[in-house]
Amino acid sequence: DAGVTQSPTHLIKTRGQQVTLRCSPKSGHDTVSWYQQALGQGPQFIFQYYEEEERQRGNFPDRFSGHQFPNYSSELNVNALLLGDSALYLCASSSPGTGGEDEQYFGPGTRLTVT
Amino acid sequence: GEDVEQSLFLSVREGDSSVINCTYTDSSSTYLYWYKQEPGAGLQLLTYIFSNMDMKQDQRLTVLLNKKDKHLSLRIADTQTGDSAIYFCAETPNSGNTPLVFGKGTRLSVIA
Repeated sequence: DAGVTQSPTHLIKTRGQQVTLRCSPKSGHDTVSWYQQALGQGPQFIFQYYEEEERQRGNFPDRFSGHQFPNYSSELNVNALLLGDSALYLCASSSPGTGGEDEQYFGPGTRLTVT
Repeated sequence: GEDVEQSLFLSVREGDSSVINCTYTDSSSTYLYWYKQEPGAGLQLLTYIFSNMDMKQDQRLTVLLNKKDKHLSLRIADTQTGDSAIYFCAETPNSGNTPLVFGKGTRLSVIA
């Protein structure tokens, strides 16, 4: 059973460009959350997708957008890249449940470098 | 707003116990988690505790929760070099589908 997978592993982009990151959730999970982890910081919540709709959103500008597909996989898009967007982008999947064991399982992340 | 604080560094000798501390501000926190991140990797869930519990033990890991003081700790018994990593405390009012709020992480170095 594959866990959460993300692609690509690493990415280098130039300021002003656009980027798309991809995530496949753990089998049986229908909810995908995206987090940004800047160097030396803890992950910060970007947004969450459920039933192909954005359900919750953190304090990130509209340059950050996403999508969820019928197979529950998800994309994170960032437009007009800034140097400050350089970070590790983590995808987490989960499913509705009744206990804390329905925790968010994290993928290995995509390291984005903006030059 | 919600805030989670952790000390940034901890160094212990192999075989000793490690204690990593965390404080949080959100009184509605229901679930509190400990995640481990090894270099270049994503986050691995180590353990979690419900806010109505005081303690949870899982093999070498012991979690203590003082809800009155909003203080959480993770004790790792018989610390090994493989435990060297960054440990994140996280909280959420609900499980699974609620955004996690993370601390900045504690870097644990284990000296052989």
